[in-house]
Amino acid sequence: KAGVTQTPRYLIKTRGQQVTLSCSPISGHRSVSWYQQTPGQGLQFLFEYFSETQRNKGNFPGRFSGRQFSNSRSEMNVSTLELGDSALYLCASSFGGSAGDTEAFFGQGTRLTVV
Amino acid sequence: AQSVTQPDIHITVSEGASLELRCNYSYGATPYLFWYVQSPGQGLQLLLKYFSGDTLVQGIKGFEAEFKRSQSSFNLRKPSVHWSDAAEYFCALSYTRGTYKYIFGTGTRLKVLA
Repeated sequence: KAGVTQTPRYLIKTRGQQVTLSCSPISGHRSVSWYQQTPGQGLQFLFEYFSETQRNKGNFPGRFSGRQFSNSRSEMNVSTLELGDSALYLCASSFGGSAGDTEAFFGQGTRLTVV
Repeated sequence: AQSVTQPDIHITVSEGASLELRCNYSYGATPYLFWYVQSPGQGLQLLLKYFSGDTLVQGIKGFEAEFKRSQSSFNLRKPSVHWSDAAEYFCALSYTRGTYKYIFGTGTRLKVLA
């Protein structure tokens, strides 16, 4: 069974540009969550999507956005990149739904470097 | 507000020694609790989880954790550490059933001496 796939694995962007990261969840999973990991702030929740709807949102500026497609694949977008956006972005997939008694499975992440 | 505290930033143990990583949480009710491990440059791998029931939880790679409500703790243990256990360990909680908004601790980096 394939795991969570994140593409690309590494990305270098220039300040002011925008970037789109992709996440393909485990087959059958309908919930996708995104996290930012930095040495200073640790792991911080960005947002969660379930069945194409944003279900939760963390405390990040509006430059960070996401969406989920009908096949559960998700993308996150960061506009007007800042140096502080350099981080490992992790995607997690879960069955989702009302039960909720399941865990999240994480991908290997996308390492974004803003120069 | 909900929070997770991992008091130890770094821990060094000798191979074969026992290990305990501490995790304390702040939440008014019983949260869902997790331990994840991250190797350098990799994503997070779930070691074990606690949702309800038996407070001693068994996980993969020989790890276990005990939920203690009175101490608001969920410490991770392993009786005999292997060199391959060197990694960073994260404790996390989820307090909303049906969603996956996790609050993570700051992590504990484990070093294993041969």
